[in-house]
Amino acid sequence: EPEVTQTPSHQVTQMGQEVILRCVPISNHLYFYWYRQILGQKVEFLVSFYNNEISEKSEIFDDQFSVERPDGSNFTLKIRSTKLEDSAMYFCASRLGGNSYNEQFFGPGTRLTVL
Amino acid sequence: AQSVTQPDIHITVSEGASLELRCNYSYGATPYLFWYVQSPGQGLQLLLKYFSGDTLVQGIKGFEAEFKRSQSSFNLRKPSVHWSDAAEYFCAVGFRNTGNQFYFGTGTSLTVIP
Repeated sequence: EPEVTQTPSHQVTQMGQEVILRCVPISNHLYFYWYRQILGQKVEFLVSFYNNEISEKSEIFDDQFSVERPDGSNFTLKIRSTKLEDSAMYFCASRLGGNSYNEQFFGPGTRLTVL
Repeated sequence: AQSVTQPDIHITVSEGASLELRCNYSYGATPYLFWYVQSPGQGLQLLLKYFSGDTLVQGIKGFEAEFKRSQSSFNLRKPSVHWSDAAEYFCAVGFRNTGNQFYFGTGTSLTVIP
C-alpha cells in the first residue's frame, strides 16, 4: 500500500541553524501539506501546496519557513534560522485531490529538536 | 474561529470493555470529519471518515463513529477494546468553505489495562 515517507525521523540542530525536512508524498497525489505538533499540544496546520505553489498557510508559517517541490517526488520544508520553539514533530501529508474531499494521508513525522 | 475539542486528555479502559472518545467542533459550515490514530513512533493512520449520508460510519479495527449535527459531535466508539488499541486518537475536521487544511483536536491518549 502506498504511503507517505519522511526523512529524517529525528533531527537535532543548534538554534539559528537551517534545517530541511523531507517528505515523499504518495505518487499520484496532488495536494501536499505540512503540520506540526509541539509536545503535548494539538496538531497544527502550517501550509498547503498545490500546482507548485502555496495554496494556504497559517500564521505560524512566517518568513522563516519555506516549502518546495524540487522534483517530481520530494516535498520539503525549510526552516531558515531555527528557534527553540520550533522544536516539534513535523508531519507531512498528501491528498489525492479531485472533486471529492479525500482524506489526507500522513507520514510518520520528523521530530525536530532545537538546542 | 473553527475549533475542535476532545474533552478527554487521557482515558483508561479494561480490555474487553466498551470505549467512547468524544469530539466536538465549532463552526457553522458543513464539516468533513475524521478520526486518526497514532501509535508510538508512527504516523497518523485514518480510522474512519464522514463526508455525507449515513451518520453512522464504520471504520477499520472495529471502530465506528456517529455524526450528530445537533450536538456538533463526532464521537468514536468501539464495543470491545483490545490491548493493541492503546494509542493516541485525534479527531480532525475539514470544512468546505475554508480550503484544504484540517483542524485537529488535542488528542485523547488511550490506555488499555488487562
